Amino acid sequence: AQSVSQHNHHVILSEAASLELGCNYSYGGTVNLFWYVQYPGQHLQLLLKYFSGDPLVKGIKGFEAEFIKSKFSFNLRKPSVQWSDTAEYFCAVRGNNRLAFGKGNQVVVIP
Amino acid sequence: DTEVTQTPKHLVMGMTNKKSLKCEQHMGHRAMYWYKQKAKKPPELMFVYSYEKLSINESVPSRFSPECPNSSLLNLHLHALQPEDSALYLCASSQEPLDTGELFFGEGSRLTVL
Repeated sequence: AQSVSQHNHHVILSEAASLELGCNYSYGGTVNLFWYVQYPGQHLQLLLKYFSGDPLVKGIKGFEAEFIKSKFSFNLRKPSVQWSDTAEYFCAVRGNNRLAFGKGNQVVVIP
Repeated sequence: DTEVTQTPKHLVMGMTNKKSLKCEQHMGHRAMYWYKQKAKKPPELMFVYSYEKLSINESVPSRFSPECPNSSLLNLHLHALQPEDSALYLCASSQEPLDTGELFFGEGSRLTVL
């Protein structure tokens, strides 16, 4: 079964700061990787996804993620955050018809 | 706006009640999912339906009973729940059961068991 690890569960930073959230996974098969975001009071939304090809993936709202196969990682980055990026961010890996989530990163951006 | 619609948004029930959560999608997706999310925790998979048939049950207690009447609808029947079952229940769908596509989530039904 697949598993996902996310560290630094609580992140507080100021507007315009850079954000990087780590994600490590374990799965024996071909991986399909996702980052979902959950804004306060809203449903889970897809930020970006990786299936194959270019390991640097660009998503919505200026986010990007890099798949590093040798490190089993799929870290999320944004060069300059805004207050509206305050949310919970979940890394997820899909395999065997299951989508397994990491524990999430609670990100608070201070104006 | 989400294309997966869940009702009700909030539900309060006693431990002896019988209630149902409903989920609907009109994207033509053939896989539908129930997840449970406790506060400050990630969503946990409960059930997966593929082409209207139950394909995955993650050892969920029988007091939760899923049903897929047709390809657009997914229900979760609740009976004799416990207070620890209070959580946000999320419905999701994907285009095909075994494809690599994303899951689309509804806003969830927040359940409180008294």
